[in-house]
Amino acid sequence: NAGVTQTPKFQVLKTGQSMTLQCAQDMNHNSMYWYRQDPGMGLRLIYYSASEGTTDKGEVPNGYNVSRLNKREFSLRLESAAPSQTSVYFCASTDRGLYNEQFFGPGTRLTVL
Amino acid sequence: QKEVEQNSGPLSVPEGAIASLNCTYSDRGSQSFFWYRQYSGKSPELIMSIYSNGDKEDGRFTAQLNKASQYVSLLIRDSQPSDSATYLCAVITNAGKSTFGDGTTLTVKP
Repeated sequence: NAGVTQTPKFQVLKTGQSMTLQCAQDMNHNSMYWYRQDPGMGLRLIYYSASEGTTDKGEVPNGYNVSRLNKREFSLRLESAAPSQTSVYFCASTDRGLYNEQFFGPGTRLTVL
Repeated sequence: QKEVEQNSGPLSVPEGAIASLNCTYSDRGSQSFFWYRQYSGKSPELIMSIYSNGDKEDGRFTAQLNKASQYVSLLIRDSQPSDSATYLCAVITNAGKSTFGDGTTLTVKP
């Protein structure tokens, strides 16, 4: 099992460009999450999907959209990137509902110039 | 007040000592509590989970939860240089909301 995979690993964007971060898990988990982590800080929840077909805002949703494409895949879209969105983005998944430990992907390091 | 607060670091201990990491949370309805370890440039990995009051031990790691005091801690016994990392406390509220602390960086000196 690959666990949680994320693409791309690195990306540089110019202000105003758009892009989609991809996340997939092969553990048959129901719930998936997107976080951002700024230097010296913990993880801040952007959006989460408790189950296929549902998505909810987290702590810092502004400037982002998500799509739960199917049970395996959960994508994060930046419609018009801003320098404030420079960060490391982690996708995570969990089984047995929202109250259990999360398994993280390797992260995407995004720089917006 | 931040929803999840961890003791400010960095924390430095000698090899073989006990490292103590602390975390407080504000939502009294929180149900699930986790400690993750994150090496520099890597993703978080689960160290311990705890759901009920008391202690939970796993090898050199002990998690302690006190819901009345809204406090969760992680003790690392016989600390090793390989334990040097940032430790993240995570709390899941009754509504299923996931919140992380800012982390405490631990350095274990040989």
